[in-house]
Amino acid sequence: AQTVTQSQPEMSVQEAETVTLSCTYDTSENNYYLFWYKQPPSRQMILVIRQEAYKQQNATENRFSVNFQKAAKSFSLKISDSQLGDTAMYFCAFMKQAGTASKLTFGTGTRLQVTL
Amino acid sequence: KAGVTQTPRYLIKTRGQQVTLSCSPISGHRSVSWYQQTPGQGLQFLFEYFSETQRNKGNFPGRFSGRQFSNSRSEMNVSTLELGDSALYLCASSYDRIYGYTFGSGTRLTVV
Repeated sequence: AQTVTQSQPEMSVQEAETVTLSCTYDTSENNYYLFWYKQPPSRQMILVIRQEAYKQQNATENRFSVNFQKAAKSFSLKISDSQLGDTAMYFCAFMKQAGTASKLTFGTGTRLQVTL
Repeated sequence: KAGVTQTPRYLIKTRGQQVTLSCSPISGHRSVSWYQQTPGQGLQFLFEYFSETQRNKGNFPGRFSGRQFSNSRSEMNVSTLELGDSALYLCASSYDRIYGYTFGSGTRLTVV
């Protein structure tokens, strides 16, 4: 079974600064997908960024980028130029290569607070 | 484009009762998944439906069931409610899972 670990329960960053959230995972699969989701107080989970394990290039979406280290099974999220609207819970998630048994396995989340 | 719609937003039920939650996916999305979110257990997968067939099931007791209709709308049912079933139930839909899921805002179920 796959497991996802987020070792930082809470983090704080000042507006306009950069912050990195950590995520490690354990799997015997070679092909899989990794995701970062954001859950603000509105409760809706919002997809921030995704990474395909067979792609070596790190994914980037505007101010969000990842550092994907497949051998180390690490998938960290970097948020640049932090904004107050980035305040939320952030969840790292793993999914095996799509098949009938695919599902998202989530970490325990990191609560990010962006301050003035 | 409408998002994933879950109804109701909040629900209070008594132990022993049963409850039905509804989820309308994004138009064109045939895959619908359900997750339970609690402070203690985090986010746990309940089940996934695709074209009216259950494609995958999580490790939950048989009191938890679901179904999907021909228009891709899905319902989940919990029978004989227990206090521990109090949680946020999230529905997610996808056109192709490899691109991720779109989640609804959830139904907050409180069992008293």
